[in-house]
Amino acid sequence: EDQVTQSPEALRLQEGESSSLNCSYTVSGLRGLFWYRQDPGKGPEFLFTLYSAGEEKEKERLKATLTKKESFLHITAPKPEDSATYLCAVEPNFGNEKLTFGTGTRLTIIP
Amino acid sequence: DSGVTQTPKHLITATGQRVTLRCSPRSGDLSVYWYQQSLDQGLQFLIQYYNGEERAKGNILERFSAQQFPDLHSELNLSSLELGDSALYFCASGLDRGGTDTQYFGPGTRLTVL
Repeated sequence: EDQVTQSPEALRLQEGESSSLNCSYTVSGLRGLFWYRQDPGKGPEFLFTLYSAGEEKEKERLKATLTKKESFLHITAPKPEDSATYLCAVEPNFGNEKLTFGTGTRLTIIP
Repeated sequence: DSGVTQTPKHLITATGQRVTLRCSPRSGDLSVYWYQQSLDQGLQFLIQYYNGEERAKGNILERFSAQQFPDLHSELNLSSLELGDSALYFCASGLDRGGTDTQYFGPGTRLTVL
């Protein structure tokens, strides 16, 4: 069974304090790993898709990286508007589009 | 705005009742996915439809059913509701061209069962 574990569960940072969120996964063949951002009471907002180990993608203050066992979401010089829950999900490589999500990291940026 | 719409935004009902949640996918998307999000379990995949046909099934209860119509909108029917069914229900849509399908989520329907 596919598994996704995200750590830490919650993270509080001062504005401008860079850090990383971790997503460890177990899947029988990875087709894609997804990062989403979710604000309270809202739907998840797509950020990145990573397909293979060594791949990196960037968007504003966020950079996602992928290894064979985990992915990191690096946040550089965060601002209060980056506060949200960040979700990681994996899609297996056997033709089923079912995503398995982690429980997320709740990120709070303090001004 | 992802382009996925869901109605209603909020739904309050009693145990034992039946409700229908509606989802319209982004223009051009053929796949619709349904998810349940509760505080203790995170986002759980329920079911996927592609161009009117069921494609994948997750942890969907027998009391729940879904369908996708010719205009590609989808409905999730929840019956014999229990207190534990209270949750956020999200619909997502995607192109599903083969290979990885990025899913775009709607704003959700918050269901409260009293």
